[in-house]
Amino acid sequence: DGGITQSPKYLFRKEGQNVTLSCEQNLNHDAMYWYRQDPGQGLRLIYYSQIVNDFQKGDIAEGYSVSREKKESFPLTVTSAQKNPTAFYLCASSPVGRVFQPQHFGDGTRLSIL
Amino acid sequence: GESVGLHLPTLSVQEGDNSIINCAYSNSASDYFIWYKQESGKGPQFIIDIRSNMDKRQGQRVTVLLNKTVKHLSLQIAATQPGDSAVYFCAEKKTGNQFYFGTGTSLTVIP
Repeated sequence: DGGITQSPKYLFRKEGQNVTLSCEQNLNHDAMYWYRQDPGQGLRLIYYSQIVNDFQKGDIAEGYSVSREKKESFPLTVTSAQKNPTAFYLCASSPVGRVFQPQHFGDGTRLSIL
Repeated sequence: GESVGLHLPTLSVQEGDNSIINCAYSNSASDYFIWYKQESGKGPQFIIDIRSNMDKRQGQRVTVLLNKTVKHLSLQIAATQPGDSAVYFCAEKKTGNQFYFGTGTSLTVIP
């Protein structure tokens, strides 16, 4: 079945450490997104990419970095500059060029601080 | 900027009753809306969507109503079942492929 796979499901970060969250999709979607979900808040966009080797900052990009070397993969690095990284991180994908298409989500990675 | 919000943060219903979850949006130019269901520890699942040229759309046990006059969106779930317990949130198309997401309503079904 086509879908989005996020790993790991749980991740712990030590002070000063960078950690990378994986997101892989086999839906053949051009666009991929990273969101952060905090209790009582809507999803907030961190980064998005509409094509390989190109990505754009979202609303809360500070302290995060991404790469898009392959269409299927969009890893997110949470750097030590992100002072409040504890959250549920969601990756999504969608087609590009078709106006009315929902985003499809993975099952998330929960990041906590040690 | 635009915002998407929900009227009620929690909703409890008896099993078998109908549920109605509401959403307000502020951008009158928005032309596409989606409802998602999110179970604990999982990612959001697409339930149903509606374009702004429609007032109502039905799926299996779910109906979405769009009132553009008051910028209001609702999700109706018929014969609510325990498996429907989850957080439901709406999404409003922003630009291109980007969306604004609401904060969510937590639905609890009482057996």
